[in-house]
Amino acid sequence: SQTIHQWPATLVQPVGSPLSLECTVEGTSNPNLYWYRQAAGRGLQLLFYSVGIGQISSEVPQNLSASRPQDRQFILSSKKLLLSDSGFYLCAWSSNLGQPQHFGDGTRLSIL
Amino acid sequence: DAKTTQPPSMDCAEGRAANLPCNHSTISGNEYVYWYRQIHSQGPQYIIHGLKNNETNEMASLIITEDRKSSTLILPHATLRDTAVYYCIASYNQGGKLIFGQGTELSVKP
Repeated sequence: SQTIHQWPATLVQPVGSPLSLECTVEGTSNPNLYWYRQAAGRGLQLLFYSVGIGQISSEVPQNLSASRPQDRQFILSSKKLLLSDSGFYLCAWSSNLGQPQHFGDGTRLSIL
Repeated sequence: DAKTTQPPSMDCAEGRAANLPCNHSTISGNEYVYWYRQIHSQGPQYIIHGLKNNETNEMASLIITEDRKSSTLILPHATLRDTAVYYCIASYNQGGKLIFGQGTELSVKP
């Protein structure tokens, strides 16, 4: 069966520091991968999605970036974090575009 | 993607059926209706989806009206563990976008 892993589960970072969140999927090949952010008390916002290695689509302009160096690995990065980057970051995968997405357990990021 | 409207909160007695409504009056012919739920501090969990026909799986049933302008998610025997925020999403079967609204906060009470 397929599983999705995100780490770390929680992270506290100072303003201006870099960020790297990692997501990996097991048990499937060539998945579609997604990064979402959920601010406190609000719905999820799609940040990036990828249909293959090196293929990234950005949904919201911001100081975050995403990369897909391997088929089942999706990385969310920032060179300099802002206070507004605080939130709950979720990675998801699907077998094809439009198919149900399956989410990881998320990373709760706090910026101080 | 079509906008969906859900009540902000609902209560349900444990063991009874929970019926969660969703309006999607602007849905287009090739948009699916997806339901997810999110238990506090966890990632969303996929429940069910459908296009025109009613659907049932081990978790829930999805009833879509004939004009497709609304749907109802049915949890047949709600338990305390079903307490969560439930999201109804209308999405094209391409592009991969799921636009999450505010959802319905379901509280299952003993």
